[in-house]
Amino acid sequence: NAGVTQTPKFQVLKTGQSMTLQCAQDMNHNSMYWYRQDPGMGLRLIYYSASEGTTDKGEVPNGYNVSRLNKREFSLRLESAAPSQTSVYFCASSDGGGTDYGYTFGSGTRLTVV
Amino acid sequence: ILNVEQSPQSLHVQEGDSTNFTCSFPSSNFYALHWYRWETAKSPEALFVMTLNGDEKKKGRISATLNTKEGYSYLYIKGSQPEDSATYLCAFRTGGTSYGKLTFGQGTILTVHP
Repeated sequence: NAGVTQTPKFQVLKTGQSMTLQCAQDMNHNSMYWYRQDPGMGLRLIYYSASEGTTDKGEVPNGYNVSRLNKREFSLRLESAAPSQTSVYFCASSDGGGTDYGYTFGSGTRLTVV
Repeated sequence: ILNVEQSPQSLHVQEGDSTNFTCSFPSSNFYALHWYRWETAKSPEALFVMTLNGDEKKKGRISATLNTKEGYSYLYIKGSQPEDSATYLCAFRTGGTSYGKLTFGQGTILTVHP
């Protein structure tokens, strides 16, 4: 099915471990985003990529890095996981330009850091 | 950090009731206002993208209005059904080089009782 694919769906990490969350879209969208969702906080933007080859910080970038590998793929890396990074992570994509049809979201990654 | 507020935080209605929620956003530098529907254990899905003051969008029993001058949008559900139970998110997009970046409200959780 066309859309945004995130892997893994679930992950448990120990404090200090690293991991990369993968995201790929097949809609030829220019822009991709990583959000985290915490109870009572809503969706908060971590990093985004306006187009292939560019990335920028969002509202809560500390402790994360991203790579826009190509137009399809946008990965999120936790270099040294902390319990405060326990959250549900959503990748999304959009055309990003003048015509706004809204975001398409992936199914989310539930990450627990112990 | 842009402030997008939704009210009420949660709402319980009976099947057949009509209901509405509010989204408040900054009235300056407006580009678009999005509404998403988010069912439990799924990812958010776009309902409407609204760009013009006075816009009114409709999809089945759900409709939305937009007032960019005063910075609010209403989402209406007519004759609520149990399958309408979900979290409804609004999100604000600023103009300029925002590349589709959205700031989300915390959502309104709707529960429709049979």
